This record gives sequence, C-alpha cells and structure tokens, in this order.
Amino acid sequence: GQQVMQIPQYQHVQEGEDFTTYCNSSTTLSNIQWYKQRPGGHPVFLIQLVKSGEVKKQKRLTFQFGEAKKNSSLHITATQTTDVGTYFCALARFQKLVFGTGTRLLVSP
Amino acid sequence: EAGVAQSPRYKIIEKRQSVAFWCNPISGHATLYWYQQILGQGPKLLIQFQNNGVVDDSQLPKDRFSAERLKGVDSTLKIQPAKLEDSAVYLCASSQLVGRTSTGELFFGEGSRLTVL
Repeated sequence: GQQVMQIPQYQHVQEGEDFTTYCNSSTTLSNIQWYKQRPGGHPVFLIQLVKSGEVKKQKRLTFQFGEAKKNSSLHITATQTTDVGTYFCALARFQKLVFGTGTRLLVSP
Repeated sequence: EAGVAQSPRYKIIEKRQSVAFWCNPISGHATLYWYQQILGQGPKLLIQFQNNGVVDDSQLPKDRFSAERLKGVDSTLKIQPAKLEDSAVYLCASSQLVGRTSTGELFFGEGSRLTVL
C-alpha cells in the first residue's frame, strides 16, 4: 500500500526540548494535513497547509509547507508531557488523503 | 455536534469467521472513509465514499472485504473470511465536501479494534 515516510520514526526528548518531524513526497501535493494521535486514541486534526511556502503557528507548534509543495515539517518548541503521541502528516492529492508512517514522540518530565 | 460513531469498539473472532463494523458519520458530511490501522503504523485507506458512490477502493482486499454506504449516510465494513493479518483498528472518518482540489478536515471515530485468533 502507498505510504509516506516521516522522519524520525521515534523521538524521546526531555520536557522543554524542541522537536521536529519531517514529511516528504515525491510528487506535488494539493495540500497537506497534520494529525495527532494520543496513545490508545484516534487521529485528531491539527492543521491544513495549502499554499506554497506557507507557515502556520498554533501556540508552540509551527507548521511549514515547502516551496515546491512536496514536503512539510512540524516543529514543537519547548515540549511538554501533554505533547506525547504520534504525529502524522497526511498528503492530499486532489481528494485522496494518504497518511504518513508517523513520528512517535515521547516526552520525559 | 455529535461526532463520528462506530461500533463495536472491540471484537475478537477466530480466523475464517466474519465480522461487520458500522459507522455513522457527522450529519451533513458527504465523504466517508474507512481506514485500517495496524499497531505502530499509519492509517491505511481502504475505501472512500462520496455520498453513496465509491471514490477510491484501490487498497480494499475485495476477495474478503466489502463496504457499502446505502442512502449516503451510515456505512458498514465487512470482512469474510477473516485472516490473522486483519487484526487492526478500523477507523471510520468523515469530512465535508470541499471541492475538486481540496480535502477537508477528517473527523475520526473512536475506532473498532479487531483481534483475529
């Protein structure tokens, strides 16, 4: 099945450290979405990026869409224990949404 | 606003048995998705409906999986016969119809966890 690689697969940080996950596609995308899934939970929508080079912020989270609309990143500043979970990018090509492999974040107090 | 409803939450069956999952999307959402999520992996799209028509079922194992969305509202996903590798969480999601080039935000249900013994 078609899946998109995210890097890293897993990251363990100390509370207060920063965290970044990257998502790459070989083809140009219509838009990209980011989801967070807490352990035992279901994916929850965080944001959608549509424009080339777009940067959006949500409190400590910064989302970027590449100029060529082929890659994206999610950066968390000063992680907190509540940030624990798996972060998925979801690549949209027209109305089809393909989820990445996810980056699992563990935050130690 | 009520969220996406799924049932059952948990199901344990033996291989070669059959199972059915039900999903009721958010009212007014034209697009409904069934995803399979194996432990430690990202959700994999099985089938996507727009109203009561199939948009994409390219990754649905049609020899054993079937899905329908009668009347363009709720949907059922069936597996018959089940295999060990079907053990996963089956997630239903819905979204509003946004347009030809834009995919709306997906709202997921709690999922149905299937264990095949």
